[in-house]
This record gives sequence, structure tokens and C-alpha cells, in this order.
Amino acid sequence: DQQVKQNSPSLSVQEGRISILNCDYTNSMFDYFLWYKKYPAEGPTFLISISSIKDKNEDGRFTVFLNKSAKHLSLHIVPSQPGDSAVYFCAASDSNYQLIWGAGTKLIIKP
Amino acid sequence: NAGVMQNPRHLVRRRGQEARLRCSPVKGHSHVYWYRQLPEEGLKFMVYLQKENIIDESGMPKERFSAEFPKEGPSILRIQQVVRGDSAAYFCASSPRGGGSTEAFFGQGTRLTVV
Repeated sequence: DQQVKQNSPSLSVQEGRISILNCDYTNSMFDYFLWYKKYPAEGPTFLISISSIKDKNEDGRFTVFLNKSAKHLSLHIVPSQPGDSAVYFCAASDSNYQLIWGAGTKLIIKP
Repeated sequence: NAGVMQNPRHLVRRRGQEARLRCSPVKGHSHVYWYRQLPEEGLKFMVYLQKENIIDESGMPKERFSAEFPKEGPSILRIQQVVRGDSAAYFCASSPRGGGSTEAFFGQGTRLTVV
């Protein structure tokens, strides 16, 4: 029973263009969402988060959008850079300490 | 994720042996979480500990797995009598306080291979 789904295992984007990573969830009790970035052989690194009371949060090149009615969130990276190539995980929380993770999307930025 | 130290980075064990994974949290953090990542999957919560206390071990297999976070020293995840299915990456994270709104800092993980 996957409560957090990232349906695209991989995504390839041209350098300089926008990367859009998607995440869907099923549990309406989730009230906090996070994106993590992970390089091979390293631990996940926190990227950006959003509370369920907001629909958008922006930090530099990274913006997260939340659509509660659709139970969908997305991470936009613009412009995409080669160093953005990594696996991106979406995670959700219901005011608890447990993070429920998606399976990840591998982002490849082409030069 | 600077500050959370896990060791060893790689661990190879034969079936039936014991595996001990160590995690030193960020200095001052008293909350530790262990996650397991199987190939092609996301991280799965295993256990949440505070100093000397197990808060939630609902993600831990009932047998062979145990975790501790003593008053002094690192948190230890212990797997007894390892089997091939235990092969995975085990990540530790720490935070200064509990609650889902806190962004936990992750270590680099320990990759356990059972042969």
C-alpha cells in the first residue's frame, strides 16, 4: 500500500530548461511534505518542504507546488543545471515523526 | 546532511552472522531514526529512538532486529543471524526534536551485503 507515489522512475531534461518532478499521495492526513535529493553512495539531503496550509513554496531555483484537492505535489527546478542530476525523493508526514517516502525519480540533466 | 556519521560505510556478512551498524547523530541531536532502502525502492521507516528510549519500532521486523541509543555513544542497529534479504542500505537520521515538521539530517548510510 503505497501512500506516496512517484510514478516516473526517471526523467531526462536539457540543461537550462525546467525540470518538473511529480508526487502523488493517498493519505489526506498528511500535512507536511518534503523533497530530498540523493547522490549515489550518499544519504538523502533535505531540499525544500511545504506545509499543507500553503500551496507554493519557493527557494531559489526550487519551487514546490501543492494541490491538496488532487493530492498532488510537484517540484520545479529552473533553470536545470548538471549538478541537479540525482535521485529526488518525495516524503510526507502526518504531524508524526515518521516520513513516508516515494520510490524516487532519477533526474538526468543533459548538457 | 553534514554531521551524522554512520559506520561502517560498507559491511559484508555471511548468512547467520551478526551485523552492527553505528550512527553518531549531529551534536546536540537527541532524536535518531533508522530507515532501510531496498534496491529500486524508497526509504522505509524502521525505528525512532530518543536517548535511552525506543519511541516507535513499528517498522522493525519482529525478530533478529534491535536498536538502541544509549546515554553515551552512538545509536546501534543490530541484526542477528543475517539473511540475504537483509541486504540493503541502512540510513540513520537525527533531529534536535521530534515531529514531522523537523527536517532530519541523514548520514551517508551503511550498505549491508549478505553473502
